[in-house]
Amino acid sequence: DAMVIQNPRYQVTQFGKPVTLSCSQTLNHNVMYWYQQKSSQAPKLLFHYYDKDFNNEADTPDNFQSRRPNTSFCFLDIRSPGLGDAAMYLCATSKPTSGGYTDTQYFGPGTRLTVL
Amino acid sequence: KQEVTQIPAALSVPEGENLVLNCSFTDSAIYNLQWFRQDPGKGLTSLLLIQSSQREQTSGRLNASLDKSSGRSTLYIAASQPGDSATYLCAVRLNYQYTDKLIFGTGTRLQVFP
Repeated sequence: DAMVIQNPRYQVTQFGKPVTLSCSQTLNHNVMYWYQQKSSQAPKLLFHYYDKDFNNEADTPDNFQSRRPNTSFCFLDIRSPGLGDAAMYLCATSKPTSGGYTDTQYFGPGTRLTVL
Repeated sequence: KQEVTQIPAALSVPEGENLVLNCSFTDSAIYNLQWFRQDPGKGLTSLLLIQSSQREQTSGRLNASLDKSSGRSTLYIAASQPGDSATYLCAVRLNYQYTDKLIFGTGTRLQVFP
């Protein structure tokens, strides 16, 4: 089945130690998103790629970076994780419709990040 | 700034009840509204998507309505089952060209007991 895959499902890192989260998709969608969801809060968009075009949200901290080496893969890099970065990180994909907007977003299972 | 609110925050009901979950948004200039389900520790599953020109969408026991002018959407769950227990999130897509941003509510945590 076509899907959005996130690895690892659980990640533990130490305060200040860089960490990379991975997302891959078999849907061949143009757009890939990264969301941060803290406990009992709404998912918050960090950034997204439309093909190779990177779109950063204005309030996303510089500590968060992203790479998209090809259509299928997208990475979230946290350069110096703080305790406040502990959260569920969700990857999603979508494809453009004929009107130029994008269709519904398909989410992966998420990576739960713990910072010690 | 678009804000999305969901009421109630939590709901516990016996099996078989018909339920209504509410979602309100402050800016009526939306492109669409989507309802998601999230199981504990899991990702989001899209349930229903309503375009701004539509009034409702139905899938099985689920029916979602949209009243853009009043900034409201409701998710109706008929004959609830224990398997419906999850958090239900609504999200609005802003009606600005070339933006793909979803604004989420904080969700309604539903528990259906046998």
